[in-house]
Parts: sequence; C-alpha cells; structure tokens
Amino acid sequence: GENVEQHPSTLSVQEGDSAVIKCTYSDSASNYFPWYKQELGKGPQLIIDIRSNVGEKKDQRIAVTLNKTAKHFSLHITETQPEDSAVYFCAATDNFNKFYFGSGTKLNVKP
Amino acid sequence: GAGVSQTPSNKVTEKGKYVELRCDPISGHTALYWYRQSLGQGPEFLIYFQGTGAADDSGLPNDRFFAVRPEGSVSTLKIQRTERGDSAVYLCASRSGSTTEAFFGQGTRLTVV
Repeated sequence: GENVEQHPSTLSVQEGDSAVIKCTYSDSASNYFPWYKQELGKGPQLIIDIRSNVGEKKDQRIAVTLNKTAKHFSLHITETQPEDSAVYFCAATDNFNKFYFGSGTKLNVKP
Repeated sequence: GAGVSQTPSNKVTEKGKYVELRCDPISGHTALYWYRQSLGQGPEFLIYFQGTGAADDSGLPNDRFFAVRPEGSVSTLKIQRTERGDSAVYLCASRSGSTTEAFFGQGTRLTVV
C-alpha cells in the first residue's frame, strides 16, 4: 500500500515569514494530493489540493508543488499569520477509495 | 445540516463494552469514510462506503469493528468488546461523487477505561 511521510513534525516561524512542509509518497499510482489543516478539537479541513497532471497550484498565500519523478510534494505558506497556527496533514490517493495521510506538521506562527 | 455531523462528541466507556458512533454526512454525498486518529498522528483509514455498500473495509483492524450505512446516508461505526487501545478520535468524512473534496466531521473522541 501507499506510504506517506511528512516533515518536519513541528515548525515554528515568525509572523510574516514563509513556511514549507514536505511530503513524500511511495506509490507511483497516486494521482491526487490534498492538504488539510486541523485546528484543535476540529476535523481536518481541505486547504488546497493538486492532481498529478499539474506541477504547481496557488491559492492566495498558499501553494502546492508536485514532483512526480521524485514522488514528493510540498505546501508553501507565505506571509504567515497567527491564525495559520494549526496541524497540517498531507495525503495521497490513487482512486479516492482511501486516502493515506502523513503524520502531520504542527505549525506555530509567533506574533 | 451544512456539514458532516458526528455524535457523540465524546464517549467514555469501560473496557469490554459495546459502542456505536454515528455519522450524518452532507446531504447527497454518496461517498462516506471512517478514519481513526490517535494522538499526534495522521488519520488512519478504516472503511469506505459508496452508497449503501462497503466498497473497501481493508482498514478495519479486526472483527470487533463493523460499520453500516443501510440507507446510503447515515453511517454507524460499531465496536464490540472495546479495548483500551481503541481509544482515539474517530473521524467521518463524506464526498460528493462528482467532486474530489472530502469534508470531515469534528470527530468522536472515544476513551476506553
């Protein structure tokens, strides 16, 4: 089955700085890669996603890049704000029957 | 409702007891997922429903776990003879058949004492 690894496990940045979270996956058949933000006591919420036929996608301050050859994808958050503080998860799937999640990155944005 | 609703929010049960966790998906969503999330970990797949049928139950850890979705809407996750190792947050998600986004509920925190 698919194995998704995520780094770093914790990330602390100053407000206004950029944050980058990286994930690798093992199954070359995976073709959809969502990123979720989870706040304390809540369920994960989709913030951005990318399909395997696209190399990069942006949505305001967040962007995701995908390198299919190397089997890794990254989340980039620019101009971080305190409200960006949360746990972020990457995931991968090849058929939408099941999503394989990374172990999460706790992002702390210091004001 | 506007989102995925899970009840109860918290459940404390004694070891060996039976529990049921309920998920109300977004109306019209044909796909429904159950995940389990242990502290400090990512969600771990349990089971996926397409309509009324379990299309993939490969994530259920053993035969103490069972889930149903009899009318293709509400789903119930059932755990028999609970063990302390079953303690976790159980997440439900639903997805429209025509889109890629899965919407998660807030989860049920199960504590087995």
